[in-house]
Amino acid sequence: EAGVAQSPRYKIIEKRQSVAFWCNPISGHATLYWYQQILGQGPKLLIQFQNNGVVDDSQLPKDRFSAERLKGVDSTLKIQPAKLEDSAVYLCASSLVGEGLAGDTQYFGPGTRLTVL
Amino acid sequence: GQSLEQPSEVTAVEGAIVQINCTYQTSGFYGLSWYQQHDGGAPTFLSYNALDGLEETGRFSSFLSRSDSYGYLLLQELQMKDSASYFCAVRTGGFKTIFGAGTRLFVKA
Repeated sequence: EAGVAQSPRYKIIEKRQSVAFWCNPISGHATLYWYQQILGQGPKLLIQFQNNGVVDDSQLPKDRFSAERLKGVDSTLKIQPAKLEDSAVYLCASSLVGEGLAGDTQYFGPGTRLTVL
Repeated sequence: GQSLEQPSEVTAVEGAIVQINCTYQTSGFYGLSWYQQHDGGAPTFLSYNALDGLEETGRFSSFLSRSDSYGYLLLQELQMKDSASYFCAVRTGGFKTIFGAGTRLFVKA
């Protein structure tokens, strides 16, 4: 079974530029998550999709971050314009189902390491 | 607010047993998960506790006390490859999972 795929793996941009990340979840997984992980910290949920609907984007800085999940499969996360504090690893994860079932394991992709100069 | 507390660092020797604690304060609670993350790698799932008690998976065990809002991860027969960061994560109401800041485990020879 293929895992969660993400691209690019690394990205270096200057502040005020735009950047986009792509995620392909495990086939059949209904729930897709985007996390931001700053060095030395735990993953922070940015947005969570159930199929192609957003169920939680309370911590997404909506003035500069946007995300979509077309057709309930692939997802893209965009930052426009980027700030220095956006330097982090952006992790995509997927799980089989969402609310209500115990042990809904999240499977993480390798992440995209973003450096904003 | 919602918070998870775990020690920032733990050091142990190869072959020993180490316990990583996690206390949480969240609105709504469905279960406590543990994830392992090696430097430069992605978090990988280790265990999940929804009910009180001990769950054992090989060298790793996880414990939960819902009444104390407390859990721990127990690693036995430590190996060098266990050096990594370990995150507890609470599954709360509303589809949300909140991660702790992580405990960095150093295993010495």
